[in-house]
Amino acid sequence: AQSVSQHNHHVILSEAASLELGCNYSYGGTVNLFWYVQYPGQHLQLLLKYFSGDPLVKGIKGFEAEFIKSKFSFNLRKPSVQWSDTAEYFCAVNARTGNQFYFGTGTSLTVIP
Amino acid sequence: DGGITQSPKYLFRKEGQNVTLSCEQNLNHDAMYWYRQDPGQGLRLIYYSQIVNDFQKGDIAEGYSVSREKKESFPLTVTSAQKNPTAFYLCASREYNEQFFGPGTRLTVL
Repeated sequence: AQSVSQHNHHVILSEAASLELGCNYSYGGTVNLFWYVQYPGQHLQLLLKYFSGDPLVKGIKGFEAEFIKSKFSFNLRKPSVQWSDTAEYFCAVNARTGNQFYFGTGTSLTVIP
Repeated sequence: DGGITQSPKYLFRKEGQNVTLSCEQNLNHDAMYWYRQDPGQGLRLIYYSQIVNDFQKGDIAEGYSVSREKKESFPLTVTSAQKNPTAFYLCASREYNEQFFGPGTRLTVL
């Protein structure tokens, strides 16, 4: 079975600091990778996704993620966070030939103005 | 306006009662999913359906049941057999390899 690990459970940053959230998955086959964000009181929404091609993907609101196949990782980055980035972030994986999506436990990000 | 609706937003039930959570989508997606979200545990799959009249158990199906009689609708019943039903429940639909989520229902069992 697939699994996803998010190493940072709770991250606190000051505005303008750089962000990197770790995500590792366990699955030997070809995967699709996702980062979702859940702002307080709002829907879970897609930040970015990787299906194939350039392993560096750019998403909404200045976020990006890099797929490193040899490390089974898909870390999320943002060079300069804002107070409005305060939210919970989830990494997810889906086997290219599968129907199920597997989510990490989430990382709660708090950005201090 | 296309999307996924879940109702109600908040639901309270007494212990021992079954309760049904609604999920409707007008995106014309074949596949639909139900997840449970608990603090510190991420999203865990309860049931999913790839097509009308067919559904599969996820990782935590015990104490839950679903039906898929219409493409637009995928209701989830939380039965009295579910030992710890208080949680936030999310419904999603899928197009190709991307999921779209509803706003969720927070169920509290008293």
